[in-house]
Amino acid sequence: SQQGEEDPQALSIQEGENATMNCSYKTSINNLQWYRQNSGRGLVHLILIRSNEREKHSGRLRVTLDTSKKSSSLLITASRAADTASYFCAMSTSGTYKYIFGTGTRLKVLA
Amino acid sequence: KAGVTQTPRYLIKTRGQQVTLSCSPISGHRSVSWYQQTPGQGLQFLFEYFSETQRNKGNFPGRFSGRQFSNSRSEMNVSTLELGDSALYLCASAWGGPANTGELFFGEGSRLTVL
Repeated sequence: SQQGEEDPQALSIQEGENATMNCSYKTSINNLQWYRQNSGRGLVHLILIRSNEREKHSGRLRVTLDTSKKSSSLLITASRAADTASYFCAMSTSGTYKYIFGTGTRLKVLA
Repeated sequence: KAGVTQTPRYLIKTRGQQVTLSCSPISGHRSVSWYQQTPGQGLQFLFEYFSETQRNKGNFPGRFSGRQFSNSRSEMNVSTLELGDSALYLCASAWGGPANTGELFFGEGSRLTVL
């Protein structure tokens, strides 16, 4: 499979806790992005990290990238019920718009 | 700025029929990509169009085709539908420049059910 692998597949936490999800991939990448999807609707872009970057922040989101381990992680701090969604990593392997998506993590934040 | 618009949102077809899905990208965006999402295979890249030319292609059979018009609107067509084609088809638009800056803007999808 060309998909990236994400873990955990599902995560359930209390509001206010932090949520961490991980993405691993097999080939060299140009950039890696994270997307959120609510209930089978369209995906919403969260953050992009380039292959020469190690960490990026955006609001309550922190993304790390370790190209030597071919892995990335997404941390959502102080989670809210509205963060309940599926989260996907997406990799561009050749600098094109042909993105390979991960298998997704279903996050449930309990109020 | 209006978002990405996909039509129709829902449709039901029977095996052997064909279907055409439409996508209007964000104004000014020249790249349109299509993805198939199923519970078993996840999100799979179908193809990408830029300035009316197919720039990238995924690993789908020839029954899946697409095109892009001069106004950047795109259509995808699936012929001789099979049960396994039941999926959410997502369109994504982007400005089309170097992919390092290329976040994708997705539509709400077209949910196809094949009976």
